[in-house]
Amino acid sequence: AQSVTQLGSHVSVSEGALVLLRCNYSSSVPPYLFWYVQYPNQGLQLLLKYTTGATLVKGINGFEAEFKKSETSFHLTKPSAHMSDAAEYFCAVITGFQKLVFGTGTRLLVSP
Amino acid sequence: EAGVAQSPRYKIIEKRQSVAFWCNPISGHATLYWYQQILGQGPKLLIQFQNNGVVDDSQLPKDRFSAERLKGVDSTLKIQPAKLEDSAVYLCASSLTGISTDTQYFGPGTRLTVL
Repeated sequence: AQSVTQLGSHVSVSEGALVLLRCNYSSSVPPYLFWYVQYPNQGLQLLLKYTTGATLVKGINGFEAEFKKSETSFHLTKPSAHMSDAAEYFCAVITGFQKLVFGTGTRLLVSP
Repeated sequence: EAGVAQSPRYKIIEKRQSVAFWCNPISGHATLYWYQQILGQGPKLLIQFQNNGVVDDSQLPKDRFSAERLKGVDSTLKIQPAKLEDSAVYLCASSLTGISTDTQYFGPGTRLTVL
């Protein structure tokens, strides 16, 4: 069954530092992978998605992620963190039954 | 373009009471989803509609949860009777066609507290 594992329930960075949020997937078929962001008391917003083609995917707000099949990973990065990036981030995969399955989330904390 | 609307935003009930949530998807979106997000976890799909038909309700606790999407637009999710473990945020999402690569757009959610 397809699933995702997010390493680290909390990640803390300083403003201006590199953001790296880790996601590993398991899938018996070529995966479709997604990153969503959730701000407090709001719904989820799509940051980026990988379906086919280029393995480096650029998203909104300066985020990007690279699909690495050999490592079964889809880590999310941003070169320079901003205070407004503080939120919860979810990695997700589409299963063989066309269902979106989410990881447990990583809360990003940004300090001045 | 208006987003996915949900109401109420917050609801507090006693266990064994009933509760209903309402969702209005983005205009023209054929597919509507209800997710349950328990504190500290990612959202879990409860039910998926394609127009007004159910595509997947395999994780819906059918002894207490029910959902409908009349006329293929608005949807309601009902819990009767509620249990303590139903305390969660209930998220509604919609997508244009429902195919795998479609983006799902989420509403702000309804936070349910069962006492």
